[in-house]
Parts: sequence; structure tokens; C-alpha cells
Amino acid sequence: EVQLVETGGGLVQPGNSLKLSCATSGFTFSTAWMNWIRQTPGKRLEWLAQIEDKSNNYFISYLESVKGRFTISRDDSKSSVYLQMNNLKEEDTAIYYCTWSLAYWGQGTLVTVSS
Amino acid sequence: DVVLTQTPPTLSATIGQSVSISCRSSQSLLHSNGNTYLHWLLQRPGQSPQLLIYLVSRLESGVPNRFSGSGSGTDFTLKISGVEAEDLGVYYCVQGTHAPDTFGAGTKLELK
Repeated sequence: EVQLVETGGGLVQPGNSLKLSCATSGFTFSTAWMNWIRQTPGKRLEWLAQIEDKSNNYFISYLESVKGRFTISRDDSKSSVYLQMNNLKEEDTAIYYCTWSLAYWGQGTLVTVSS
Repeated sequence: DVVLTQTPPTLSATIGQSVSISCRSSQSLLHSNGNTYLHWLLQRPGQSPQLLIYLVSRLESGVPNRFSGSGSGTDFTLKISGVEAEDLGVYYCVQGTHAPDTFGAGTKLELK
């Protein structure tokens, strides 16, 4: 059974950082292209970042509006993907999901940016 | 970025009724490789989104065949032939033809 479990969310002040983790199981992670998608309080979904697999040199792409602040990474030995978020803003408040091919989603982790 | 416009924003239906949701794109979603990367998701209350239909009309494994997708270019439709209680929630279209992937604002299906 495919499982994706996000952790690392919480309450953080504007300007601070947070690192999200997504532990996976049940599929061949090393060949999977992984994504982070967030859902705002207004229920809007927004794709944030993708990291491809080793055969594609771990190519990374970002939503323009988070480029330079967010960093996606992966550890194939741990079947995990990460999202480092720096200089957080109130508008980054959302539920953050890791996904594999849109067919598989984690349960999400809530990030609240507020003073 | 590609804008996906979903209508209606809210849909009220009775059990057994057939309903349709429209998703209109600001650009053609036909990729140069011949595929059209338009998909449909359902988010039930309190749950993560789940994939229902991919590549316009292909049913994801385990999804009941009362769901169907159609369309081409810029106009797409999700149809539910006989709504069941478990179908309630928010439906999103999503495109992956043009980077970045973008989502429609959602259509909430509720019971009348």
C-alpha cells in the first residue's frame, strides 16, 4: 500500500523558517518524481515544487513565487522528500501535501505563519 | 500561467441525479506530444484530494464508472451519472500541459 506521511508543520512567526518532511512507502521511491502542493485557507490548491529522479539528475522546478525561499530535496535512502521554507510570510499559511503523480497524496501538514 | 475556470462554483443535487462540471482553460491543453494533461480530483470533507480522472477521460483505478470526463482543447467536462452520497465534496480540475501545474478554484457538490 502506498503511503505518504508529512510532518514538520506548525506555528511560525513571519520571517522564520520551517522544514517539512514526507516519508513514503509502498512504491519505488527512487524512480518517483515527487511534488509539494499546498492548500490555502480558502481551499485553493497551488503546486509549489517538483524533484525528478536520479536518472533525470534530480532536476528541480519551482513555482516562481516561492523560488529563492523554498528548497525541495530528497533522500532516496530514506524514501523521503523535504521542503525547506525560509523567510515565511503570512500568505504561506496553508496545508502542505507531498504527492506522487497526483494519484497519491499524504494527509497534509498545517503550516501557520503568524505573529 | 494557465488559468482554469470551473463552473458552477456550487452544485446542489439529489441522490441519483446526473450532474456536470465545466472546466475552461485560458490556453489549449493539447501538448505537443499529443496528450492533453487535464485531470480531475475530488476532495471529500476532511480528506486529502484524490485522483478521479486523468488525461481528460481515463478513469483512475477503483473509481466508479458513474464518473466520466470529456473535452478537448480548452473546454472540459466532468459528469457524474447518478450522484451518490459518497460523491459529495469539492471537485478540482488540474492541468499539467503548461508549467507550472495549475488548478481550478473548485466546484462544491452538495445535497439538495
